[in-house]
Amino acid sequence: DAKTTQPNSMESNEEEPVHLPCNHSTISGTDYIHWYRQLPSQGPEYVIHGLTSNVNNRMASLAIAEDRKSSTLILHRATLRDAAVYYCILRDVRGDDKIIFGKGTRLHILP
Amino acid sequence: NAGVTQTPKFQVLKTGQSMTLQCAQDMNHEYMSWYRQDPGMGLRLIHYSVGAGITDQGEVPNGYNVSRSTTEDFPLRLLSAAPSQTSVYFCASRRAGRTEAFFGQGTRLTVV
Repeated sequence: DAKTTQPNSMESNEEEPVHLPCNHSTISGTDYIHWYRQLPSQGPEYVIHGLTSNVNNRMASLAIAEDRKSSTLILHRATLRDAAVYYCILRDVRGDDKIIFGKGTRLHILP
Repeated sequence: NAGVTQTPKFQVLKTGQSMTLQCAQDMNHEYMSWYRQDPGMGLRLIHYSVGAGITDQGEVPNGYNVSRSTTEDFPLRLLSAAPSQTSVYFCASRRAGRTEAFFGQGTRLTVV
């Protein structure tokens, strides 16, 4: 499985945008980029995914570099409820269903 | 529609005991997985299944057995519990062809 690299932790102020980076320099052409987050004492939840183009949904935006070697999850206006561990995951959609988690980025939101 | 349901939520076992963690989903998802999460760590894949009757090993399968006799259920069996298996266990399911996985609320297991 292709690897991802994320900062261990980040801080942001409430009501400001947050940009969470992810490096994946060994990404293959059939790897989708997924983001999940895990709120305290809960199971992970899906946030967003993309292949080549930038993606938007009600939770966040995903900006993918033109060479696909990095991506950024954007929370447009962080709230205290967005404090969580955010996981950037690559998954080859040609293969089986394994979703392999890394250590993720712990996001702290300052009031 | 309950989603992914895990039971029990909490369990304390003595070393050497066996038990089964239950996972059930009512979304008719083909794919199901078990993960463990140790304190301060990310999730590690134990076993997964791509459909009834089909299972395969993940990253850390030793000490655990699974079976998938129905689409809805994917139990995880600890054969002889060890303190190293103290962890929070999460079950997940996903529909084939879709990318979004749904996770249960977890089972917190302590082996003493």
